[in-house]
Amino acid sequence: DTGVSQDPRHKITKRGQNVTFRCDPISEHNHLYWYRQTLGQGPEFLTYFQNEAQLEKSRLLSDRFSAERPKGSFSTLEIQRTEQGDSAMYLCASSPLKGAYQPQHFGDGTRLSIL
Amino acid sequence: AQTVTQSQPEMSVQEAETVTLSCTYDTSESDYYLFWYKQPPSRQMILVIRQEAYKQQNATENRFSVNFQKAAKSFSLKISDSQLGDAAMYFCAYIGGGANSKLTFGKGITLSVRP
Repeated sequence: DTGVSQDPRHKITKRGQNVTFRCDPISEHNHLYWYRQTLGQGPEFLTYFQNEAQLEKSRLLSDRFSAERPKGSFSTLEIQRTEQGDSAMYLCASSPLKGAYQPQHFGDGTRLSIL
Repeated sequence: AQTVTQSQPEMSVQEAETVTLSCTYDTSESDYYLFWYKQPPSRQMILVIRQEAYKQQNATENRFSVNFQKAAKSFSLKISDSQLGDAAMYFCAYIGGGANSKLTFGKGITLSVRP
């Protein structure tokens, strides 16, 4: 069990640029979640995958955001035309079962800073 | 919609003493789970303890225990024999039972431990 891995740890970019983050869940965890955490706040749910299927999306996930999980393994989260308000920590989590039966395991997160 | 409220932004405790972190929540569901997560500075979020709503007995994990008051919708965390390594942000979180996927977090509380 190597834990949830996220890359990069930090990303600094200029407003208007596109960015992509990667998440590698714990092996054999079929369920993968993305959250966003702004300074002084708790994480907020963005989206959920069961294997390769994106089954739930938050209203926070605007049209500029897209997430994929090809082949049901790693996942990517892309933000197009970044804005100042996108600055946050993006957290990925995975679990072997959906719901509360198995707690979600979190990665270290990717901290995004928009200049 | 479910909400989780942590009204204390910061708390401090002397090493070896006991501290209680408060959390209230609001839900219309009868089946749900509650969690406390710990997030040390620049490190990943880890699960501290969880409570199933249908269980009347309060959960305990070594030095960590909860006071779950279902009628009052209160879920506090007690840390006994506080250690320097307990210093972190603590988040209270909720997830509905069944096939729900998303955790709803409170704003968190920053706990400092004085040597």
